[in-house]
Amino acid sequence: DVQLVESGGGSVQPGGSLRLSCAASGFTFDAFGMHWVRQAPGRGLEWILGVSWNSGRIGYADSVKGRFTISRDNAKNSLYLEMNSLRPEDTAVYYCAKDAGYFGAGIDYWGQGILVTVSS
Amino acid sequence: SYVLTQPPSVSVAPGETAKITCGGDNIGTKSVHWYQQKPGQAPVLLINYDSVRLSGIPQRFSGSNSGITATLTISRAEAGDEADYYCQVWDGTADHLYVFGPGTKVTVL
Repeated sequence: DVQLVESGGGSVQPGGSLRLSCAASGFTFDAFGMHWVRQAPGRGLEWILGVSWNSGRIGYADSVKGRFTISRDNAKNSLYLEMNSLRPEDTAVYYCAKDAGYFGAGIDYWGQGILVTVSS
Repeated sequence: SYVLTQPPSVSVAPGETAKITCGGDNIGTKSVHWYQQKPGQAPVLLINYDSVRLSGIPQRFSGSNSGITATLTISRAEAGDEADYYCQVWDGTADHLYVFGPGTKVTVL
């Protein structure tokens, strides 16, 4: 079975940094695009970052441009999200997510989500 | 960046049909995907590429894309269909690879 398990969430002060990790299993990790999607409390889904199978293509939402970085380590079946200059509006549940194909086929598997709270 | 619109809410009686629309500029040229999200759960991909139902998704769920709007149709609605529904497009020509619609709350009365 496909499993995506996020770790590294928690509370951080505005301006701080946090690194999320996602351990993937149950599928050929290096054959699929991967993404981070977030959902603020009571709000809708927001796609924020995606990376192709070989890291050759990376996409990002304007809301995180220049502050957040996505990376992957195919040897470790892991996806990462480096978050810097965090703002209160970054408070959300962050989902690690697998593309249903190389890229663009939709997101067919999601982690359980991990809460990041940015507050003083 | 690309913007999608959805009605905030749709109500449907059990056994009836609900239609959730998704609008965007030239949406007919995009691949539209549909998700269902129930409270406290991760989203579930129902439909991709406008009308392809994912494995295990009931045939009661169907999708279409007319070029002006994309539509998710829930036939013979059940109480268990009560959830938030999101459309999503792949905007592969831009840095913003995926865009989600704002979501539609479906209530089964």
